[in-house]
Amino acid sequence: NAGVTQTPKFQVLKTGQSMTLQCAQDMNHEYMSWYRQDPGMGLRLIHYSVGAGITDQGEVPNGYNVSRSTTEDFPLRLLSAAPSQTSVYFCASSSREELGYTFGSGTRLTVV
Amino acid sequence: LAKTTQPISMDSYEGQEVNITCSHNNIATNDYITWYQQFPSQGPRFIIQGYKTKVTNEVASLFIPADRKSSTLSLPRVSLSDTAVYYCLVEDRGSTLGRLYFGRGTQLTVWP
Repeated sequence: NAGVTQTPKFQVLKTGQSMTLQCAQDMNHEYMSWYRQDPGMGLRLIHYSVGAGITDQGEVPNGYNVSRSTTEDFPLRLLSAAPSQTSVYFCASSSREELGYTFGSGTRLTVV
Repeated sequence: LAKTTQPISMDSYEGQEVNITCSHNNIATNDYITWYQQFPSQGPRFIIQGYKTKVTNEVASLFIPADRKSSTLSLPRVSLSDTAVYYCLVEDRGSTLGRLYFGRGTQLTVWP
């Protein structure tokens, strides 16, 4: 099925550990972005990309890295996990021709 | 970026029409108005987008007055399954492609 696939769905990390959240889309979308959502809040933009090889920071980029080596994949790396990074992470993609963005089902991350 | 203001919560009953109003006083010429719906534990889902006047699709209608400083999402004959958070966003489809900025949204609760 076409869409945005995020893995894993759930993850528990210890403080200081690193990990990569995966995001893949099969719609040939040039735009991809990462968001985090904390309880009772809207989504906040972490990083985004307008095409392979091009990335930029969003509202809350500290502690996260991204790269975009292919059109399909946009992984989000946590360098040294902190409890403040406990959140639900969403990946989204779109293109200039699309009206809206397609979101993945999210990764629920807990840092202890 | 134009900020949006919308009610934190609304209640309705099944079968009623629901209108959620969003204020965006600083909207710019290139900005479009977009609404997303989010169910618990899911990513947001695109509902509708418009620039001016009225837009209608199979899910909702979007009313935008001439000054574009506000917009109203109209959901006809809501059901229990319409209980969700609804986000109003202002998108610059020119300079800010690739990213979205969310507010806190409106929690709509539909009662039987």
